[in-house]
Amino acid sequence: SAVISQKPSRDICQRGTSLTIQCQVDSQVTMMFWYRQQPGQSLTLIATANQGSEATYESGFVIDKFPISRPNLTFSTLTVSNMSPEDSSIYLCSVGPGTGENEKLFFGSGTQLSVL
Amino acid sequence: DAKTTQPPSMDCAEGRAANLPCNHSTISGNEYVYWYRQIHSQGPQYIIHGLKNNETNEMASLIITEDRKSSTLILPHATLRDTAVYYCIAFNTGGFKTIFGAGTRLFVKA
Repeated sequence: SAVISQKPSRDICQRGTSLTIQCQVDSQVTMMFWYRQQPGQSLTLIATANQGSEATYESGFVIDKFPISRPNLTFSTLTVSNMSPEDSSIYLCSVGPGTGENEKLFFGSGTQLSVL
Repeated sequence: DAKTTQPPSMDCAEGRAANLPCNHSTISGNEYVYWYRQIHSQGPQYIIHGLKNNETNEMASLIITEDRKSSTLILPHATLRDTAVYYCIAFNTGGFKTIFGAGTRLFVKA
């Protein structure tokens, strides 16, 4: 299994500002993922954070709004830029260690973001 | 990744078995079925996964139909703490990208 530390756990921000969320894993992992969960909704994949290359974004998400860093195999950050109230959500980091039938996703505890 | 469909909500009496169904009729041969649950906006928690055979662990059992087009997660003795949203996911290990459906909100009642 993988232990994931996600910071901050929650924040309240003013519109127009930016917030950087950190995700630290206790072991080296190939793939890290960032999800958004809007109030009362399911999880939506934002992007896959690739070590040593640019992140791969899903439809509807762009790098200018959600820049991602992946400097090594245990750490990633997601920045929510130029925030608006519509960005109020839970943001979740996940990793996928293991291979084959032992592969499973593990999730951080999430960052609850409220934008005023 | 295969799309999954689940009932939006279910009720279960405490101490009884909770049987949560999932349809994944477009699943391909190399896609596993995974179950996760999310309790009160925490990060999703892994429960169980399988490919073809039925699986059991300390948390639950997973029954996959022979044609693999549907599965059932069984919580043998539901407790109040099992109240959560349960997600059924089908994806190709090695493909990594995981798409979540709407899930089933399970209410366990005393």
